[in-house]
Amino acid sequence: KAGVTQTPRYLIKTRGQQVTLSCSPISGHRSVSWYQQTPGQGLQFLFEYFSETQRNKGNFPGRFSGRQFSNSRSEMNVSTLELGDSALYLCASSSSGTLAYNEQFFGPGTRLTVL
Amino acid sequence: AQKVTQAQTEISVVEKEDVTLDCVYETRDTTYYLFWYKQPPSGELVFLIRRNSFDEQNEISGRYSWNFQKSTSSFNFTITASQVVDSAVYFCALSEGFDNYGQNFVFGPGTRLSVLP
Repeated sequence: KAGVTQTPRYLIKTRGQQVTLSCSPISGHRSVSWYQQTPGQGLQFLFEYFSETQRNKGNFPGRFSGRQFSNSRSEMNVSTLELGDSALYLCASSSSGTLAYNEQFFGPGTRLTVL
Repeated sequence: AQKVTQAQTEISVVEKEDVTLDCVYETRDTTYYLFWYKQPPSGELVFLIRRNSFDEQNEISGRYSWNFQKSTSSFNFTITASQVVDSAVYFCALSEGFDNYGQNFVFGPGTRLSVLP
């Protein structure tokens, strides 16, 4: 079974631009969660999608948004990039059909650098 | 206040030593889940264990063991006979919000474990 894949793996953008990151979950998994990891703030939960609906959301500004497609693939978008958005963005998938977080399988992450 | 506290920022041990990573959490919920994840130098988070709030039984898996104590809100992780391959950052995490409000998933700041040969 293929694992969680994220594209691209590395990205460099400049302030003010927008970026879209992609995540393909493990086949059969319907839940996709996104996390931001920075040296200063650590690992922070962004949001979770299940069956194309945002089910849970962390404490991030509206510049961070996402969506999920019918095949469970998910995209995360950050608009008007700021220097502080430089981070490793991790995606995780789960087979969870309830609000309980079962084991989450993480992808390798996308390293975003904002200049 | 931090919801998940990992007081040890970095720990160094010599191979074959036992090491315990501490985790203290804070929640008002009666239903919640606790997790441990490992992040090796490659960067990919690896799930180690999930425990719900109603199951205080300690668990052992090979060289790994977990001690969950609701009375002290702690979920500590012990590696017995550590190996160099155990070197990684270990995160404790809490999933809450099942009782009434939106679900929240919170990671601790992590403990960097270095196992020296």
